[in-house]
Amino acid sequence: GQNIDQPTEMTATEGAIVQINCTYQTSGFNGLFWYQQHAGEAPTFLSYNVLDGLEEKGRFSSFLSRSKGYSYLLLKELQMKDSASYLCAVRDQHYKLSFGAGTTVTVRA
Amino acid sequence: ETGVTQTPRHLVMGMTNKKSLKCEQHLGHNAMYWYKQSAKKPLELMFVYNFKEQTENNSVPSRFSPECPNSSHLFLHLHTLQPEDSALYLCASSQELGLAGGTYEQYFGPGTRLTVT
Repeated sequence: GQNIDQPTEMTATEGAIVQINCTYQTSGFNGLFWYQQHAGEAPTFLSYNVLDGLEEKGRFSSFLSRSKGYSYLLLKELQMKDSASYLCAVRDQHYKLSFGAGTTVTVRA
Repeated sequence: ETGVTQTPRHLVMGMTNKKSLKCEQHLGHNAMYWYKQSAKKPLELMFVYNFKEQTENNSVPSRFSPECPNSSHLFLHLHTLQPEDSALYLCASSQELGLAGGTYEQYFGPGTRLTVT
């Protein structure tokens, strides 16, 4: 099974940078995903890492270290609309996704 | 309609009722999923279907009964539920499992907010 940990809440100022860490213990790693979920809405796919290193997509970047069981999601130039819950999810060799409890990010003006 | 749709969006039912949740995907995917999301808890995978065949039942009580008549539709039949079953039920779809080189990111529907009284 998977054991996935991420902080419960983070607060940052508009225009700033926030880094959300995710650590995991897995019995068969086959990729790590980050999803964004606004209150009352569906989770939407943000990024995918299966090899070590940094993946950049506009203002959002995701990093993976498989040897350390560690990932982070970096949000740059924060905007008010980035206030949401960010979910870290690990996939196993059977393509089953296990999610962390999510990190609620609040962006203040 | 685009993406993944779910109906109803809200449902209140008594413990003796029988109801069904419906999910439809318009993305040409062949894998579909049911998840349960309770407050302050991680998303819990309930069932997985790949090409209409159930490939995962994550120890879900029998009062939840899934049905997948084709790759575009997924149902969750509910009966004799308990108050602790109140939660947001999310449906998702992805490319078929086992396809070489796929990312298999899952696309989620908006969910059905279920309240059991």
